[in-house]
Amino acid sequence: AQSVTQPDIHITVSEGASLELRCNYSYGATPYLFWYVQSPGQGLQLLLKYFSGDTLVQGIKGFEAEFKRSQSSFNLRKPSVHWSDAAEYFCAVGGPEYNFNKFYFGSGTKLNVKP
Amino acid sequence: EAGVTQFPSHSVIEKGQTVTLRCDPISGHDNLYWYRRVMGKEIKFLLHFVKESKQDESGMPNNRFLAERTGGTYSTLKVQPAELEDSGVYFCASSPKDGRVYEQYFGPGTRLTVT
Repeated sequence: AQSVTQPDIHITVSEGASLELRCNYSYGATPYLFWYVQSPGQGLQLLLKYFSGDTLVQGIKGFEAEFKRSQSSFNLRKPSVHWSDAAEYFCAVGGPEYNFNKFYFGSGTKLNVKP
Repeated sequence: EAGVTQFPSHSVIEKGQTVTLRCDPISGHDNLYWYRRVMGKEIKFLLHFVKESKQDESGMPNNRFLAERTGGTYSTLKVQPAELEDSGVYFCASSPKDGRVYEQYFGPGTRLTVT
C-alpha cells in the first residue's frame, strides 16, 4: 500500500539552529511531493512542492527540500529556525501514480523551538 | 482571494447524533476534497469531487458518511449516526482544474468530538 513515513513525531531545536525533517515515500517513479505546515488554529499551508526537474526546491518562509530518488526521500530543511516556525509539518505524496488527485500524508512532525 | 473555509471549527456531539460539516472552496476551483485526521495519525483521503460529481470516494469509511456538493460550489459532509471512532479533524481542500490541479489548498479543519 502507498505510504509516507515521517519517522520523527516530535523534534525540538533551538532558535537559530538548523532543521531537517525527514520524509520517505513507499513507491513511485514520478511522485509529486509536498510539504505542508499547520500552525495552531490554522489550516494546512503549502510550503513547497516537487513535480520534476531540479531536485532541490525552494519554498516559502526560507524552507527548502531535496528529492532523492535513490532514497525515496524528500527531506525538509531550514538553515536557521525562527520561533514562529513552531508548528506541525506534514509530508505528502500524490500524482498520476497515486490515483491522480488523492494525496497520501505522513503522520506529521511537531516542531518545538527553544528560545 | 479568499481561502478554503470550513464550518464549524469545532463540534461536540453525542454518539448517535447527526453532524453536518460544511466546506466552501476557493472560488472557481472545480476540485474539492475531504480528508480526515484521527487521533494524531496521518491525514487520510476521504473523497474527491469534480464540480458536483464524486470522482473518487474510496476513502469514505462506511455508509454513515454522506458527502454532497450541490451546484458544484460548497460541499457538506454528514455523519449519521456518529460513532466514537468518527472523532478527529476533518479537512477540506480545493484545487483548480488547470495545470495546477495538484496544488491542493486546505481549510483550517473542523474538529469533531463524539462523546
